Amino acid sequence: DVKVTQSSRYLVKRTGEKVFLECVQDMDHENMFWYRQDPGLGLRLIYFSYDVKMKEKGDIPEGYSVSREKKERFSLILESASTNQTSMYLCASSLPGLASFETQYFGPGTRLLVL
Amino acid sequence: DQQVKQNSPSLSVQEGRISILNCDYTNSMFDYFLWYKKYPAEGPTFLISISSIKDKNEDGRFTVFLNKSAKHLSLHIVPSQPGDSAVYFCAASEGAGSYQLTFGKGTKLSVIP
Repeated sequence: DVKVTQSSRYLVKRTGEKVFLECVQDMDHENMFWYRQDPGLGLRLIYFSYDVKMKEKGDIPEGYSVSREKKERFSLILESASTNQTSMYLCASSLPGLASFETQYFGPGTRLLVL
Repeated sequence: DQQVKQNSPSLSVQEGRISILNCDYTNSMFDYFLWYKKYPAEGPTFLISISSIKDKNEDGRFTVFLNKSAKHLSLHIVPSQPGDSAVYFCAASEGAGSYQLTFGKGTKLSVIP
């Protein structure tokens, strides 16, 4: 059974803190993605990676960075958390190649609250 | 500017009836469209897709229709079941040359027993 896991389901942080959100997949997928989901805005792509150490900006990369040192793990980093980064964060992975969206599997999400 | 629009935030349907969820897009480069379903506390799951070379794709109770000239697609669920109650996201991509999906805001479907 395919699995994408995220390190925390709920997280509360203070403004200015450095925050790490971890995502691990066990499907040997090349592609990994980070989205945020906000009410009335749907899912928006923050960053994606199509290979180890490779990363590409999505629609809203400002205030975020990512790290992909191993194929199965993709980390989202908030260098200095701000209240407008309070959101639901979703990680996904998919098979290699372009347009492999039908194979995009999502994790359960991390609900982050920045105070 | 939103390139994928789901103008109905919510929809309620009686069990057994048809549910029709609508999606409009503005980007003419989009040529591949998908629907995802999301239950609370879970990640979205892929439901059905359609390529721009088709105008209809069917999978069991789910059918997606694409009207390219109107830049409109719709998801039909027949018959609707209480387990279909979820948020449905429409998504689009520029096809084979893209890693990126653009999502709509989602429509919350409630199927009333």
